[in-house]
Amino acid sequence: RKEVEQDPGPFNVPEGATVAFNCTYSNSASQSFFWYRQDCRKEPKLLMSVYSSGNEDGRFTAQLNRASQYISLLIRDSKLSDSATYLCVVTPYNQGGKLIFGQGTELSVKP
Amino acid sequence: GAGVSQSPSNKVTEKGKDVELRCDPISGHTALYWYRQSLGQGLEFLIYFQGNSAPDKSGLPSDRFSAERTGGSVSTLTIQRTQQEDSAVYLCASSLADFSGSRGDTQYFGPGTRLTVL
Repeated sequence: RKEVEQDPGPFNVPEGATVAFNCTYSNSASQSFFWYRQDCRKEPKLLMSVYSSGNEDGRFTAQLNRASQYISLLIRDSKLSDSATYLCVVTPYNQGGKLIFGQGTELSVKP
Repeated sequence: GAGVSQSPSNKVTEKGKDVELRCDPISGHTALYWYRQSLGQGLEFLIYFQGNSAPDKSGLPSDRFSAERTGGSVSTLTIQRTQQEDSAVYLCASSLADFSGSRGDTQYFGPGTRLTVL
């Protein structure tokens, strides 16, 4: 079993749609949680950190459920520019900042 | 300011040859990471340097892989006797190694080196 598992996708949605990505992690001692975005043939870039209290950044909302070891990302009013691969990422406890990546979920927003 | 830079951007080599990949982290970042991204494997951690501490080599796939970081700045990842399964994009990231806050530590990635082993 992979340490971080995501919906395989791809997700094909029309502009303006709301789309939700889910992720589970296997190590209950995981320390920090993130969503990264990766455009085609580009490097990953941090989208947002994820907290148990939930956090929102504009059209993006991330949620962490430590009891269920579950992370989510909600994108509202999706734009063409949101098309990318979204990577769920965790850091193991007490291993510096080593990142463990999920396989990523590809999102394609169509006009 | 300047981001993380990597060279070369592309490298094509023959099976059995050695290759060296270079990473220049963001100035002032004490932590440096190597990852690789290959089809079917996603992004996987290779090695982590933090200050003067011994590196975390737990992600290196075989003893053909090694890395060093000179003077706490530039890092070189070396792959000896390359195999076709080594073909991947090798990504370097750096960070301030600030693990004290609830936000975690933000890593900034370079553009990667695309390695093709024929």
